[in-house]
Amino acid sequence: QQQVKQSPQSLIVQKGGISIINCAYENTAFDYFPWYQQFPGKGPALLIAIRPDVSEKKEGRFTISFNKSAKQFSLHIMDSQPGDSATYFCAAGVTSGSRLTFGEGTQLTVNP
Amino acid sequence: DGGITQSPKYLFRKEGQNVTLSCEQNLNHDAMYWYRQDPGQGLRLIYYSQIVNDFQKGDIAEGYSVSREKKESFPLTVTSAQKNPTAFYLCATEPGHGLIYEQYFGPGTRLTVT
Repeated sequence: QQQVKQSPQSLIVQKGGISIINCAYENTAFDYFPWYQQFPGKGPALLIAIRPDVSEKKEGRFTISFNKSAKQFSLHIMDSQPGDSATYFCAAGVTSGSRLTFGEGTQLTVNP
Repeated sequence: DGGITQSPKYLFRKEGQNVTLSCEQNLNHDAMYWYRQDPGQGLRLIYYSQIVNDFQKGDIAEGYSVSREKKESFPLTVTSAQKNPTAFYLCATEPGHGLIYEQYFGPGTRLTVT
């Protein structure tokens, strides 16, 4: 029940296209859903996060869509750029708890 | 990477040896975490600590040990009992102030055991 399933495992997009990464969870107690971006050889960095009181959050070219009834959330990267090429992780946690559960990661490649 | 230091960046050890990975932070964060990253498996939690002198096992604690004697430091020892220790190890911190839930990651240590 603590798992977070992420898809696809890898994604190739052309420059200017939209990248979409999906995650699904089972634990209805989760109330915090962050996305992390990781470049090769580096630690992940928080990209954007959402709480279930809203269905969408946008920061620049990055948008999280959240569907509470389906227990799914997704990351949309608009106008994808080669510099967006990285591994993206979704995660979920309980605010009153002390740990995040991470998805398996998606390796995004944006071709010029 | 902010104020989180992990050293060394690359570490090589012979099988059967214990090895300690360093994690130091100057963010004054209460909580600290250790994750292991393997290709295609995401980040798996090894140990975490919310306050000094207290820590809890994560999902894959077997073969690892930690200590939290100081707020700034959370070293991870990979013991010879860990059957497959070669991996990328990430340390993270979190403010630990209620609703603030952002975890900050260090640059990682890549451990290779042969």
